[in-house]
Amino acid sequence: EVQLVESGGGLVQPGGSLRLSCAASGFTFNTYAMSWVRQAPGKGLEWVSTFSGSGGNTYYADSVKGRFTISRDRSKNTLYLQMNSLRGEDTALYYCTKGDEGFDSWGQGTLVTVSS
Amino acid sequence: QPVLTQSSSASASLGSSVKLTCTLNNRHSTYIIAWHQQQPGKAPRYLMKVEGSGRYNKGSGIPDRFSGSSSGADRYLTISNLQSEDEADYYCETWDINSWVFGGGTRLTVL
Repeated sequence: EVQLVESGGGLVQPGGSLRLSCAASGFTFNTYAMSWVRQAPGKGLEWVSTFSGSGGNTYYADSVKGRFTISRDRSKNTLYLQMNSLRGEDTALYYCTKGDEGFDSWGQGTLVTVSS
Repeated sequence: QPVLTQSSSASASLGSSVKLTCTLNNRHSTYIIAWHQQQPGKAPRYLMKVEGSGRYNKGSGIPDRFSGSSSGADRYLTISNLQSEDEADYYCETWDINSWVFGGGTRLTVL
Protein backbone atom coordinates (compact mmCIF):
# COMPACT_ATOMS: atom_id res chain seq x y z
CA GLU A 1 0.00 0.00 0.00
CA VAL A 2 1.33 3.41 -0.98
CA GLN A 3 1.93 5.74 1.96
CA LEU A 4 3.02 9.36 1.80
CA VAL A 5 3.59 11.10 5.13
CA GLU A 6 4.36 14.81 5.15
CA SER A 7 6.01 16.70 7.99
CA GLY A 8 7.77 19.98 8.68
CA GLY A 9 4.92 22.45 8.50
CA GLY A 10 4.37 25.18 11.04
CA LEU A 11 4.12 28.89 11.72
CA VAL A 12 6.81 31.08 10.15
CA GLN A 13 7.23 34.83 9.78
CA PRO A 14 7.17 36.50 6.36
CA GLY A 15 10.59 36.25 4.78
CA GLY A 16 11.40 33.11 6.74
CA SER A 17 12.23 29.58 5.63
CA LEU A 18 10.85 26.11 6.18
CA ARG A 19 11.68 22.63 4.88
CA LEU A 20 8.94 20.11 4.27
CA SER A 21 9.55 16.36 4.11
CA CYS A 22 7.54 13.52 2.62
CA ALA A 23 8.37 9.96 3.64
CA ALA A 24 7.28 7.49 0.97
CA SER A 25 6.67 3.76 1.24
CA GLY A 26 4.84 0.93 -0.50
CA PHE A 27 6.26 1.51 -3.98
CA THR A 28 9.59 1.82 -5.79
CA PHE A 29 10.31 5.44 -4.93
CA ASN A 30 13.15 5.89 -7.41
CA THR A 31 11.03 5.16 -10.47
CA TYR A 32 8.24 7.65 -9.93
CA ALA A 33 7.98 11.41 -10.28
CA MET A 34 7.02 13.11 -7.03
CA SER A 35 5.33 16.45 -6.56
CA TRP A 36 4.08 19.02 -4.10
CA VAL A 37 0.57 20.44 -4.42
CA ARG A 38 -0.86 23.06 -2.07
CA GLN A 39 -4.28 24.28 -1.03
CA ALA A 40 -4.81 27.67 0.54
CA PRO A 41 -7.59 27.85 3.15
CA GLY A 42 -10.97 27.58 1.44
CA LYS A 43 -9.39 27.50 -2.03
CA GLY A 44 -8.67 24.96 -4.76
CA LEU A 45 -5.63 22.87 -5.52
CA GLU A 46 -2.46 24.47 -6.91
CA TRP A 47 0.50 22.57 -8.30
CA VAL A 48 3.79 23.75 -6.75
CA SER A 49 6.70 21.60 -7.94
CA THR A 50 7.68 18.23 -9.46
CA PHE A 51 10.83 16.13 -9.35
CA SER A 52 11.08 13.67 -12.24
CA GLY A 53 11.31 9.94 -11.66
CA SER A 54 14.35 9.32 -13.79
CA GLY A 55 17.11 11.85 -14.09
CA GLY A 56 17.11 14.99 -12.04
CA ASN A 57 14.65 17.27 -13.77
CA THR A 58 12.75 19.69 -11.56
CA TYR A 59 9.82 21.91 -12.39
CA TYR A 60 8.23 24.83 -10.55
CA ALA A 61 5.11 26.94 -10.68
CA ASP A 62 5.85 30.57 -11.53
CA SER A 63 4.51 31.60 -8.10
CA VAL A 64 7.35 29.79 -6.29
CA LYS A 65 10.17 29.78 -8.85
CA GLY A 66 13.40 31.11 -7.36
CA ARG A 67 12.12 30.74 -3.77
CA PHE A 68 11.33 27.03 -3.42
CA THR A 69 13.62 24.06 -4.14
CA ILE A 70 12.43 20.48 -4.53
CA SER A 71 14.80 17.59 -3.87
CA ARG A 72 14.70 13.88 -3.12
CA ASP A 73 16.88 11.47 -1.17
CA ARG A 74 16.56 8.15 -2.95
CA SER A 75 18.37 6.31 -0.14
CA LYS A 76 15.77 7.50 2.38
CA ASN A 77 12.72 7.38 0.07
CA THR A 78 12.04 10.97 1.04
CA LEU A 79 10.96 14.03 -0.90
CA TYR A 80 11.71 17.55 0.31
CA LEU A 81 10.58 21.08 -0.35
CA GLN A 82 12.85 23.88 0.82
CA MET A 83 10.83 27.06 1.04
CA ASN A 84 12.62 30.41 1.36
CA SER A 85 11.44 34.02 1.33
CA LEU A 86 8.01 32.91 2.44
CA ARG A 87 5.03 35.19 1.89
CA GLY A 88 1.52 35.35 3.30
CA GLU A 89 0.14 33.88 0.08
CA ASP A 90 2.22 30.74 0.67
CA THR A 91 -0.05 29.88 3.61
CA ALA A 92 -1.60 26.54 2.68
CA LEU A 93 -1.88 22.85 3.32
CA TYR A 94 0.96 21.22 1.37
CA TYR A 95 0.38 17.76 -0.08
CA CYS A 96 2.96 15.30 -1.32
CA THR A 97 1.82 13.37 -4.40
CA LYS A 98 3.10 10.49 -6.54
CA GLY A 99 3.12 10.27 -10.32
CA ASP A 100 3.32 12.78 -13.15
CA GLU A 101 0.53 11.75 -15.50
CA GLY A 102 -2.19 12.09 -12.94
CA PHE A 103 -1.24 12.40 -9.28
CA ASP A 104 -2.32 8.90 -8.27
CA SER A 105 -1.54 9.00 -4.54
CA TRP A 106 -1.76 11.79 -1.98
CA GLY A 107 -0.47 12.31 1.53
CA GLN A 108 -2.54 13.85 4.31
CA GLY A 109 -0.77 17.19 4.06
CA THR A 110 1.22 19.49 6.34
CA LEU A 111 0.06 23.00 7.18
CA VAL A 112 2.27 26.00 6.55
CA THR A 113 1.19 29.33 8.02
CA VAL A 114 3.10 32.48 7.13
CA SER A 115 2.23 35.28 9.53
CA SER A 116 3.86 37.80 11.83
CA GLN B 1 -0.06 25.92 -20.73
CA PRO B 2 -3.40 24.07 -20.56
CA VAL B 3 -6.46 25.64 -18.97
CA LEU B 4 -9.22 23.58 -17.32
CA THR B 5 -12.71 24.95 -16.69
CA GLN B 6 -15.20 23.43 -14.24
CA SER B 7 -18.58 24.58 -12.99
CA SER B 8 -18.34 25.76 -9.40
CA SER B 9 -21.22 23.69 -8.12
CA ALA B 10 -23.58 20.83 -8.92
CA SER B 11 -26.29 18.99 -7.09
CA ALA B 12 -28.22 15.76 -7.48
CA SER B 13 -30.48 13.55 -5.42
CA LEU B 14 -29.46 10.52 -3.40
CA GLY B 15 -29.58 7.43 -5.62
CA SER B 16 -29.57 9.39 -8.89
CA SER B 17 -26.72 10.05 -11.33
CA VAL B 18 -24.68 13.16 -11.98
CA LYS B 19 -22.24 14.06 -14.77
CA LEU B 20 -19.50 16.58 -13.97
CA THR B 21 -17.67 18.38 -16.77
CA CYS B 22 -14.09 19.54 -17.16
CA THR B 23 -13.37 21.53 -20.34
CA LEU B 24 -9.91 21.93 -21.87
CA ASN B 25 -9.00 25.08 -23.78
CA ASN B 26 -8.95 24.69 -27.59
CA ARG B 27 -5.20 24.45 -27.98
CA HIS B 28 -5.05 21.51 -25.54
CA SER B 29 -8.36 19.89 -26.41
CA THR B 30 -6.87 16.41 -26.94
CA TYR B 31 -5.14 16.16 -23.57
CA ILE B 32 -5.66 13.43 -21.01
CA ILE B 33 -7.02 14.60 -17.67
CA ALA B 34 -7.27 13.07 -14.21
CA TRP B 35 -10.18 13.37 -11.76
CA HIS B 36 -9.70 13.73 -8.00
CA GLN B 37 -12.25 13.70 -5.20
CA GLN B 38 -11.83 15.70 -1.98
CA GLN B 39 -14.33 14.94 0.76
CA PRO B 40 -14.79 17.61 3.45
CA GLY B 41 -11.77 17.89 5.71
CA LYS B 42 -9.84 15.16 3.88
CA ALA B 43 -6.95 14.93 1.45
CA PRO B 44 -7.74 14.54 -2.24
CA ARG B 45 -8.11 11.04 -3.66
CA TYR B 46 -7.27 10.03 -7.20
CA LEU B 47 -10.27 8.64 -9.10
CA MET B 48 -9.27 8.07 -12.72
CA LYS B 49 -7.65 9.26 -15.91
CA VAL B 50 -9.81 10.07 -18.94
CA GLU B 51 -8.47 10.20 -22.50
CA GLY B 52 -9.82 12.16 -25.44
CA SER B 53 -11.08 8.89 -26.95
CA GLY B 54 -13.34 8.42 -23.93
CA ARG B 55 -11.27 5.58 -22.55
CA TYR B 56 -10.78 5.83 -18.80
CA ASN B 57 -8.62 4.07 -16.25
CA LYS B 58 -9.68 4.08 -12.59
CA GLY B 59 -7.49 4.04 -9.53
CA SER B 60 -7.37 1.17 -7.13
CA GLY B 61 -10.51 0.67 -5.05
CA ILE B 62 -12.66 3.19 -6.89
CA PRO B 63 -16.25 1.90 -6.99
CA ASP B 64 -17.94 0.85 -10.23
CA ARG B 65 -20.38 3.74 -9.74
CA PHE B 66 -17.67 6.09 -11.01
CA SER B 67 -16.99 6.29 -14.75
CA GLY B 68 -15.41 8.63 -17.26
CA SER B 69 -16.08 9.72 -20.83
CA SER B 70 -15.16 12.45 -23.33
CA SER B 71 -16.60 14.59 -26.10
CA GLY B 72 -14.34 16.98 -27.95
CA ALA B 73 -12.59 19.15 -25.37
CA ASP B 74 -14.91 18.02 -22.59
CA ARG B 75 -13.97 15.34 -20.09
CA TYR B 76 -16.68 13.90 -17.90
CA LEU B 77 -16.99 12.19 -14.55
CA THR B 78 -20.25 10.33 -14.06
CA ILE B 79 -21.31 9.11 -10.64
CA SER B 80 -24.24 6.69 -10.58
CA ASN B 81 -26.42 5.71 -7.63
CA LEU B 82 -25.25 8.74 -5.65
CA GLN B 83 -24.39 8.12 -2.02
CA SER B 84 -24.07 10.66 0.78
CA GLU B 85 -20.31 10.11 0.88
CA ASP B 86 -20.06 11.35 -2.72
CA GLU B 87 -20.72 14.88 -1.46
CA ALA B 88 -17.30 16.40 -2.09
CA ASP B 89 -15.23 18.72 -4.23
CA TYR B 90 -14.12 17.25 -7.55
CA TYR B 91 -11.04 18.53 -9.35
CA CYS B 92 -9.69 17.78 -12.78
CA GLU B 93 -5.96 17.91 -13.50
CA THR B 94 -3.82 17.85 -16.61
CA TRP B 95 -0.17 18.25 -17.47
CA ASP B 96 2.16 19.57 -20.11
CA ILE B 97 5.90 19.20 -20.70
CA ASN B 98 6.87 21.10 -17.57
CA SER B 99 3.73 22.19 -15.79
CA TRP B 100 0.66 20.74 -14.14
CA VAL B 101 -2.73 22.42 -13.88
CA PHE B 102 -5.92 21.94 -11.88
CA GLY B 103 -9.41 23.10 -12.68
CA GLY B 104 -11.15 25.31 -10.14
CA GLY B 105 -13.16 22.38 -8.78
CA THR B 106 -16.85 21.50 -8.64
CA ARG B 107 -18.60 21.21 -5.29
CA LEU B 108 -21.14 18.39 -5.50
CA THR B 109 -24.09 18.46 -3.12
CA VAL B 110 -26.12 15.29 -2.63
CA LEU B 111 -29.71 16.23 -1.88
